[in-house]
Amino acid sequence: GDSVTQMEGPVTLSEEAFLTINCTYTATGYPSLFWYVQYPGEGLQLLLKATKADDKGSNKGFEATYRKETTSFHLEKGSVQVSDSAVYFCALHLQGGSEKLVFGKGTKLTVNP
Amino acid sequence: EPEVTQTPSHQVTQMGQEVILRCVPISNHLYFYWYRQILGQKVEFLVSFYNNEISEKSEIFDDQFSVERPDGSNFTLKIRSTKLEDSAMYFCASQARNYGYTFGSGTRLTVV
Repeated sequence: GDSVTQMEGPVTLSEEAFLTINCTYTATGYPSLFWYVQYPGEGLQLLLKATKADDKGSNKGFEATYRKETTSFHLEKGSVQVSDSAVYFCALHLQGGSEKLVFGKGTKLTVNP
Repeated sequence: EPEVTQTPSHQVTQMGQEVILRCVPISNHLYFYWYRQILGQKVEFLVSFYNNEISEKSEIFDDQFSVERPDGSNFTLKIRSTKLEDSAMYFCASQARNYGYTFGSGTRLTVV
């Protein structure tokens, strides 16, 4: 079935460090890909998305590129801030199929000053 | 910015008891969802609801679960007889047509 695999956390970085959170997927069809973020005590917020191969989603300094050949959608940020501390979820949605999202397990990021 | 509101934020219930989790979706949204996340595991789809009926449900959503939109604003998830393994964070979400999800902040259900 369709699934998303994220790198295991937690990830701890110093402020201004480079961030990569790996995400790979398995899908029977042609998915749209998403990164969601959950700040402490809040809901899941859409961070960025990409709907077709080679698309790059970006928001708040975060980027992820839809790589069909490696079935990946890795999240990157060049210089993290303390305020980026949160749990990050990779997810897919099959286009033309059901409305449900398929999530990865989530990766907790802690950024220290 | 419009929000999806979930109450309570944390609920503790005894095994075998009925529990109702409440959600107020965004007012002009048409699609409604429940997801859950057992601690340390993936966020899992439970059910989707459109036009006053269930449009899709997962294997998890068995006869112990039901959803309702009783008054046009609230969207509830009922678990009839809770089990220890129902302990999880439950997320409600709503969606306008052809637009992204908006999630609530979740209800942490603890079954003891």
